[in-house]
Amino acid sequence: SQELEQSPQSLIVQEGKNLTINCTSSKTLYGLYWYKQKYGEGLIFLMMLQKGGEEKSHEKITAKLDEKKQQSSLHITASQPSHAGIYLCGADIPDTNNAGNMLTFGGGTRLMVKP
Amino acid sequence: DGGITQSPKYLFRKEGQNVTLSCEQNLNHDAMYWYRQDPGQGLRLIYYSQIVNDFQKGDIAEGYSVSREKKESFPLTVTSAQKNPTAFYLCASSISGYPNQPQHFGDGTRLSIL
Repeated sequence: SQELEQSPQSLIVQEGKNLTINCTSSKTLYGLYWYKQKYGEGLIFLMMLQKGGEEKSHEKITAKLDEKKQQSSLHITASQPSHAGIYLCGADIPDTNNAGNMLTFGGGTRLMVKP
Repeated sequence: DGGITQSPKYLFRKEGQNVTLSCEQNLNHDAMYWYRQDPGQGLRLIYYSQIVNDFQKGDIAEGYSVSREKKESFPLTVTSAQKNPTAFYLCASSISGYPNQPQHFGDGTRLSIL
């Protein structure tokens, strides 16, 4: 099983609707990163969360890290077609022979927004 | 503009051939990384380098090799020993190799087998 589980794997929403993507680990995370990827392109950095209970927002996207630092959620308000893509969470997970800034990634959530 | 440039965007490999993927950054970052992405999956780390002239194996290094002779450049060679090389390859960099530094990515190279 993956060390970082993302859910759902795919999501289709009507434009204007809100949605939430989750990223869960069985271990405490040192740092949690959210990225967006358009098909066939690189990853665009969205946000980094480090502290338990931390919440950050950028435009209509809000990311939260729970108090235990084992689960993060990405919430999009009033979705638009421009939000479509693959959302990936990456995390610095302890006890993975990680001597530096190596990230473990979830499997991604493919989001489609219907106009 | 500062950024990470990967080339080529598409690459085809013949059986038994080695191919090299280029990654250049002008962000003055110390650390660089190579990932492999297969359809419907997340990223897996191939190799990483925290500083010039030093690099370490990631989770799936077998069949790959790298060099880090210059700070700006971190080329990846896919050797003939890599039996399943078809994938999307992503290069990334961060300010340093210390934790809690966001990694910034190039646009990727898609490698296919002829």
